[in-house]
Amino acid sequence: GENVEQHPSTLSVQEGDSAVIKCTYSDSASNYFPWYKQELGKGPQLIIDIRSNVGEKKDQRIAVTLNKTAKHFSLHITETQPEDSAVYFCAAWGRGGYQKVTFGTGTKLQVIP
Amino acid sequence: DGGITQSPKYLFRKEGQNVTLSCEQNLNHDAMYWYRQDPGQGLRLIYYSQIVNDFQKGDIAEGYSVSREKKESFPLTVTSAQKNPTAFYLCASSLQTTDTQYFGPGTRLTVL
Repeated sequence: GENVEQHPSTLSVQEGDSAVIKCTYSDSASNYFPWYKQELGKGPQLIIDIRSNVGEKKDQRIAVTLNKTAKHFSLHITETQPEDSAVYFCAAWGRGGYQKVTFGTGTKLQVIP
Repeated sequence: DGGITQSPKYLFRKEGQNVTLSCEQNLNHDAMYWYRQDPGQGLRLIYYSQIVNDFQKGDIAEGYSVSREKKESFPLTVTSAQKNPTAFYLCASSLQTTDTQYFGPGTRLTVL
């Protein structure tokens, strides 16, 4: 089945700096890659996603890049703010009769004011 | 959290008790899911339902049961057979199983 590895597990950045979180996946048939932000004690919220026919997608300070050849995709947050502090999860949609989603183990991002 | 609600927010269970976690959505989604979240681990799928009156086991279904009698509701029962039930439980829904999943706010279950 699909295997998704996410790095780093924790990340601390100064306010205003950029943050990058990377995920690798194993199933070359995976075709959809969402990113979720989870604040403490809350459910994950979709922040951006990308499909396999696109190499990059941006939404204000957030961007996602996809390298299908290398089977990895990354979340980029620019001009980080304290409210960006949260746990971020990547996911990949692999093979399966029900389009199984496999989640990464999460990255705890701390933005230091 | 969109139109997905979970209750209660916190739940305490004694050893040997069954408890039921509620999940309701008003998004008119066909598919619904239950995940378990433990510290340092990704979300693990317990059960999912593609349509009313249908549900399938996920990766860690042992000790859990579900029902899908109504499109908007997908309750999860944690039975006494689940040996380590303390965790954060997340419900999600999507238009179909091929579509983006949206999550509820979660229920934190603690076994006393």
